[in-house]
Amino acid sequence: EIVMTQSPATLSVSPGERATLSCRASQSVSSNLAWYQQKPGQAPRLLIYGASTRATGIPARFSGSGSGTEFTLTISSLQSEDFAVYYCQQYNNWPPNTFGQGTKLEIK
Amino acid sequence: QVQLQESGPGLVKPSETLSLTCTVSGYSISSGYYWGWIRQPPGKGLEWIGSIYHSGSTYYNPSLKSRVTISVDTSKNQFSLKLSSVTAADTAVYYCARDWGGKFDYWGQGTLVTVSS
Repeated sequence: EIVMTQSPATLSVSPGERATLSCRASQSVSSNLAWYQQKPGQAPRLLIYGASTRATGIPARFSGSGSGTEFTLTISSLQSEDFAVYYCQQYNNWPPNTFGQGTKLEIK
Repeated sequence: QVQLQESGPGLVKPSETLSLTCTVSGYSISSGYYWGWIRQPPGKGLEWIGSIYHSGSTYYNPSLKSRVTISVDTSKNQFSLKLSSVTAADTAVYYCARDWGGKFDYWGQGTLVTVSS
């Protein structure tokens, strides 16, 4: 099973600033990496797939990069609605598909 | 617009079987895609349980495989989850979602299932 490790666990950033979230895979997942956003009481929402492709309706301030074992989600200018928990997920070697433990993005 | 809705008991006794159904609207399950179940214990992360194709082909998380059965009813545009021999560790919000090549693009709102006597 591929283990996904996200860092940091919590990230405090001010609105309008840039946020950078990291995800590392225990072995290569090529570019088969997705990012999700989850707000309290809501289901996760797909943001990014293929490591760098935005899902339908996702604003351009969200971008993903990386391949192999190292990945990054960048939010260029944080809006109030962006404060949430973010998960990465690999779908290269499955079953099982595996998720990271999440990064909580909070207002500084 | 694809919509998914979970339904089923919110309370299950230890050692019994958890049963949930996901009703899909806005898309015919028979048209394609896998359809999956994911769970999230309170305050914790996401765990994929398994997925099913309209033909009935399934794949499961090895950690749960011995206790999980996922089935599909294309006539009702539904798919279902059964998890046997539940314990308190199975208490979670259970989500159904469309499995798009291993990633999940449409999700239900989730339903909390508590395992308690």
